[in-house]
Amino acid sequence: DQQVKQNSPSLSVQEGRISILNCDYTNSMFDYFLWYKKYPAEGPTFLISISSIKDKNEDGRFTVFLNKSAKHLSLHIVPSQPGDSAVYFCAATLASGGSYIPTFGRGTSLIVHP
Amino acid sequence: GAVVSQHPSWVICKSGTSVKIECRSLDFQATTMFWYRQFPKQSLMLMATSNEGSKATYEQGVEKDKFLINHASLTLSTLTVTSAHPEDSSFYICSARRRGGVTYNSPLHFGNGTRLTVT
Repeated sequence: DQQVKQNSPSLSVQEGRISILNCDYTNSMFDYFLWYKKYPAEGPTFLISISSIKDKNEDGRFTVFLNKSAKHLSLHIVPSQPGDSAVYFCAATLASGGSYIPTFGRGTSLIVHP
Repeated sequence: GAVVSQHPSWVICKSGTSVKIECRSLDFQATTMFWYRQFPKQSLMLMATSNEGSKATYEQGVEKDKFLINHASLTLSTLTVTSAHPEDSSFYICSARRRGGVTYNSPLHFGNGTRLTVT
């Protein structure tokens, strides 16, 4: 049973437009969420995160929105650039137990067309 | 900073042989390292958590005798796939967390992964 779901395996966007990547989770105990970006043949790199006590976190062109009641978060990239083309993984962390090991979604492949 | 080096990046081996994958944190000490496996179009599945100086903690369904993990120092963890079979072919990725960074908001630093193909 997947606790973190990224239902769109791929997304195609034109350069300059907004990219919106969605993520849903089932475990209401998750209290920290992260987005990772992965290029082919490379490991994921941390992009942006948000605590469950917030509903928005912004870092340059990247903004993550969290809707706790809906158990939904989204990553907005604006304006999108061709270099943003990558696979984006949503991850959620459970604070209890102290290990804070993230649970990952399956990823969404973003393609930004020039 | 926070570079994790994983070696080899790809390996092809014959069925029945063993393969060792190394994961090094180059510019920080990592008390905890994680080993993930990724199937095509699937999420990163946690295989085990490796703590320096102690036995690894394996996730349910992961055979500890098949996937041997050693974390002998604060900068090195190894995963050995023993008696590999074609079904072990996958993409294996290690990640590390900075020493002292065991908090909910400390992201993992990933290696570039190892593509294992067992023929």
